Amino acid sequence: DGGITQSPKYLFRKEGQNVTLSCEQNLNHDAMYWYRQDPGQGLRLIYYSQIVNDFQKGDIAEGYSVSREKKESFPLTVTSAQKNPTAFYLCASSIAQGGNEQYFGPGTRLTVT
Amino acid sequence: QKEVEQNSGPLSVPEGAIASLNCTYSDRGSQSFFWYRQYSGKSPELIMSIYSNGDKEDGRFTAQLNKASQYVSLLIRDSQPSDSATYLCAVIPGNTGKLIFGQGTTLQVKP
Repeated sequence: DGGITQSPKYLFRKEGQNVTLSCEQNLNHDAMYWYRQDPGQGLRLIYYSQIVNDFQKGDIAEGYSVSREKKESFPLTVTSAQKNPTAFYLCASSIAQGGNEQYFGPGTRLTVT
Repeated sequence: QKEVEQNSGPLSVPEGAIASLNCTYSDRGSQSFFWYRQYSGKSPELIMSIYSNGDKEDGRFTAQLNKASQYVSLLIRDSQPSDSATYLCAVIPGNTGKLIFGQGTTLQVKP
């Protein structure tokens, strides 16, 4: 089956700890994205990558880091510098960055206490 | 002014009726428009994309785009209780290539 997987589905961490969220796709898509969704709000772009070994900051990149060492994988690290990390994190991919449709993974719900 | 605006709702319609969801956007150069459906606690699912003025139909769904009025809508015919969800409008402004989401409209279809 082709698709996007994210793990884990739920993640609990103590304040001050870094945590890495996994995103893998087997759709052969070039572009990948990370969004954050807070209750009652739309999605906000954290980082995106158009091609392997290249990525750009989105609208709310502070306190986050990413890597894109393989086409299939785009992990997101939530660092201790992120002031309000508790949120629903969504990974997406598209054939190419630009006007193409984006498809989402199932998401990771992160709770930091 | 927000880049993509939607009425948060909830929009309540009886089963079998037509649900009409509306979205306006601020960037006149926008070229790509999408509708996503998001069930509570789940990730968004792409249901429609539209790129040119006019209507695009897919089953019970029709997307309508009017670039002159900077308006895109989604019509759901013969609404079912399973259509109850939040519908997100998303636009790619012409100069960025990045997808901008509205806040979403919650639709409730009552049996």
